[in-house]
Amino acid sequence: GQQVMQIPQYQHVQEGEDFTTYCNSSTTLSNIQWYKQRPGGHPVFLIQLVKSGEVKKQKRLTFQFGEAKKNSSLHITATQTTDVGTYFCAGPSNAGNMLTFGGGTRLMVKP
Amino acid sequence: DAGVTQSPTHLIKTRGQQVTLRCSPKSGHDTVSWYQQALGQGPQFIFQYYEEEERQRGNFPDRFSGHQFPNYSSELNVNALLLGDSALYLCASSFGSGVPELFFGEGSRLTVL
Repeated sequence: GQQVMQIPQYQHVQEGEDFTTYCNSSTTLSNIQWYKQRPGGHPVFLIQLVKSGEVKKQKRLTFQFGEAKKNSSLHITATQTTDVGTYFCAGPSNAGNMLTFGGGTRLMVKP
Repeated sequence: DAGVTQSPTHLIKTRGQQVTLRCSPKSGHDTVSWYQQALGQGPQFIFQYYEEEERQRGNFPDRFSGHQFPNYSSELNVNALLLGDSALYLCASSFGSGVPELFFGEGSRLTVL
């Protein structure tokens, strides 16, 4: 079945450093979504990318969808303590109604 | 505008027991998906309900069953609980077909002893 993998699993950064998490799917995706889950919280939708090679920005966050629509990345510039949490990518199954989540990248920021 | 609400927030059961978890979707949403999230892992899709029917199911045994009511709220039932069923159970609501943005509830933390 479809697999979605993320690396790294964990990342410790000093506040102000940049951070990147990478997402790879075993199948071509119609779109990819990113969610953030704060410690003790629930996943919150960040963004959806649809087009091949698409790049979207939200303040310090930059999201990219690969040309082959099988990989994606999230880059945070100048991390802040408010960025702490686990970032998940997720892609729809071929049947279209199921969202498969990656294992997540847990970001820890040292002030 | 109420978001997705789930109950109970925490519960403890013993092996072999049965549990029912409840979810009210965000106002205006008609689709409810249930996910299981083990500690330190990503959410795993259990099933999705639309128009009171199970529309798609993930790789979970028949011990996991659900229901959607006419008001779009939903229940997740798990029978014959195993220790491995201990997890955070997340309900997510959305509108329409396909896989649009999901709105998650706070989850129900189930501990099986």
